[in-house]
Amino acid sequence: KAGVTQTPRYLIKTRGQQVTLSCSPISGHRSVSWYQQTPGQGLQFLFEYFSETQRNKGNFPGRFSGRQFSNSRSEMNVSTLELGDSALYLCASSLMGQGALNSPLHFGNGTRLTVT
Amino acid sequence: AQKVTQAQTEISVVEKEDVTLDCVYETRDTTYYLFWYKQPPSGELVFLIRRNSFDEQNEISGRYSWNFQKSTSSFNFTITASQVVDSAVYFCALSEDTGGFKTIFGAGTRLFVKA
Repeated sequence: KAGVTQTPRYLIKTRGQQVTLSCSPISGHRSVSWYQQTPGQGLQFLFEYFSETQRNKGNFPGRFSGRQFSNSRSEMNVSTLELGDSALYLCASSLMGQGALNSPLHFGNGTRLTVT
Repeated sequence: AQKVTQAQTEISVVEKEDVTLDCVYETRDTTYYLFWYKQPPSGELVFLIRRNSFDEQNEISGRYSWNFQKSTSSFNFTITASQVVDSAVYFCALSEDTGGFKTIFGAGTRLFVKA
C-alpha cells in the first residue's frame, strides 16, 4: 500500500509570495492533518480535514488555509509568505481521523519550504 | 490544557547501551491516547506505539519497551541494547478531545547512537 505522498519535496519562495502544498493520503484514509515543523517550535498542528470538512484548526494566522477534495487529497496554502514560514510541512493521514483518539497518524516525508 | 514535555533535548549513547527517553504529559481528560513516533534522518515520522489512558500495562516489542504511569503522568520509552540505526528524533504525542480532537507532540528527543 502506498504511503502518504507530499509534493513538492522542496520549495524556495520569496517573501510576499504564496504557495500551495499537496498531500495524497494512504488509500482509504479519509482524514488528513497538517503540521509545521521548525527547530524552535517543534511540531505544531495546523489543521485537520475529514470528508472535505475542516474539523480542527491550530493557532495559526489566516494566511494558512487548506482544503480537502472528494478523493481525500488535500492541499495547504500559505499566502503572503514571511521569513518565519520557513519550515518542514508535514501531512499525515489516518483511517478514522482525529475524531478517533486511538488512530495513529501516518506521515509523509514533508515539503521543506524556504522563504527568502 | 494539553501539554507534552520531553525534557531531554539530545541524548548520546554508545552502541549496546540502554537508553530511556522521558515523556511527561498534562491533560484534564480521563480518556486520551499516548503515542511515540520516530523520525529518522530521512524525515518521515513513523508510528511506534499507542497506549490508552485506561491501560497501564507496560509493553515490550523487541528491544523497545514502554512504561506508562498515570500517577506521574509519564510515558517513558526505553531502547535496550541500542544500535546505530536507532539514531533519530523521537516524539511523544497526546491525543484527546478538547472540544475538537487533535494530536499534539512534544518537542522531541534527538538520540545519537555511536558505534
